[in-house]
Amino acid sequence: DVKVTQSSRYLVKRTGEKVFLECVQDMDHENMFWYRQDPGLGLRLIYFSYDVKMKEKGDIPEGYSVSREKKERFSLILESASTNQTSMYLCASTLGPARGDTQYFGPGTRLTVL
Amino acid sequence: AQKITQTQPGMFVQEKEAVTLDCTYDTSDPSYGLFWYKQPSSGEMIFLIYQGSYDQQNATEGRYSLNFQKARKSANLVISASQLGDSAMYFCAMRELFSGSARQLTFGSGTQLTVLP
Repeated sequence: DVKVTQSSRYLVKRTGEKVFLECVQDMDHENMFWYRQDPGLGLRLIYFSYDVKMKEKGDIPEGYSVSREKKERFSLILESASTNQTSMYLCASTLGPARGDTQYFGPGTRLTVL
Repeated sequence: AQKITQTQPGMFVQEKEAVTLDCTYDTSDPSYGLFWYKQPSSGEMIFLIYQGSYDQQNATEGRYSLNFQKARKSANLVISASQLGDSAMYFCAMRELFSGSARQLTFGSGTQLTVLP
């Protein structure tokens, strides 16, 4: 079974703090993704990575950065958290060409910035 | 224009009955994939079923089937024999192979399904 894990289910941080959200997959996937999900706005892609040290911006990269030093781990970084970054963050990875490159998601991290 | 449209914000179904969740899509890409995901209140996005644009037959996965009508650009999810555990938000999504970023999924706004005992 595909397994994607995220470091925290719930996280509370203060404005201005540096925040790290980590995502790990155990299936040797090439591609990994970070989304945020907000009521009324749906899922929006922040960044994705198609290989170690490679990254591409998604639709809403502002205020975020990412790091992929190892194939299995993809980190989302909020350099200086702001209240408008309070959201549900979902990580995903893809198995490959099978099933149209299906994205498998982790359990999500609900981040609250006070 | 919306790429993925789910017109039913909420649906109710009686336990053990079948239910259809609607999804229409818009693309000029000849090669694309359509996906359905389930998101329970816990938040995890669970993959249910996939249909490729060149697939001749409708996809099925257990109690889930995808009613793919290419000419109408619709990809409705059918859940047979609904169970209480099926109560969740359901998202339709599309990946276009040649348009924009080939790796990106575009999601619809979702349908909240409630299964009644």
